Amino acid sequence: EDQVTQSPEALRLQEGESSSLNCSYTVSGLRGLFWYRQDPGKGPEFLFTLYSAGEEKEKERLKATLTKKESFLHITAPKPEDSATYLCAVQAPVATSGTYKYIFGTGTRLKVLA
Amino acid sequence: EAGVAQSPRYKIIEKRQSVAFWCNPISGHATLYWYQQILGQGPKLLIQFQNNGVVDDSQLPKDRFSAERLKGVDSTLKIQPAKLEDSAVYLCASSLDQALGQFFGPGTRLTVL
Repeated sequence: EDQVTQSPEALRLQEGESSSLNCSYTVSGLRGLFWYRQDPGKGPEFLFTLYSAGEEKEKERLKATLTKKESFLHITAPKPEDSATYLCAVQAPVATSGTYKYIFGTGTRLKVLA
Repeated sequence: EAGVAQSPRYKIIEKRQSVAFWCNPISGHATLYWYQQILGQGPKLLIQFQNNGVVDDSQLPKDRFSAERLKGVDSTLKIQPAKLEDSAVYLCASSLDQALGQFFGPGTRLTVL
């Protein structure tokens, strides 16, 4: 069964304390892996798309990497405004229809303390 | 560039009543998605449209949920009749292409009493 698992569920960091969030997946035929940020009461905000193992993307203090089984979102010297829930999603083919499905993980709730 | 618009933002109904949500995607985005997000969980895809055709509705509870996308632009999601377990945030998203990242609206928070 296709699955996306994110860890840890919650993470508290001091401002400036770098860390990584993990997204592991088991899907057949990964087409793309997506990272989103979600603030309370808002819809997810698109951050990155990764398509193949070894690929890396960066945006400000965030860097996403992809292997054949997992993705990491590295946060360097985080600030309080980086506090949010970070969601990972994978896109995989639907064998019976020739279309693609999206599967989201449950997210990592990040809190950065000043 | 205007984002994805959704209305209403909040809705409270009693079980067995009907409710409808509206979504206007980003102009030019061919792909539109409806998700259900229960508190503390990630979004669950309900239905995906490419222009005005359905690409995937495998997780849509078709006995009570329906959706349409008129003229390949706006979309509505309906629940009839609602159950307590339908309480969630309903998110609409759009993208230029299925392979690209999605842009989400603010969501509609539905409470079923």
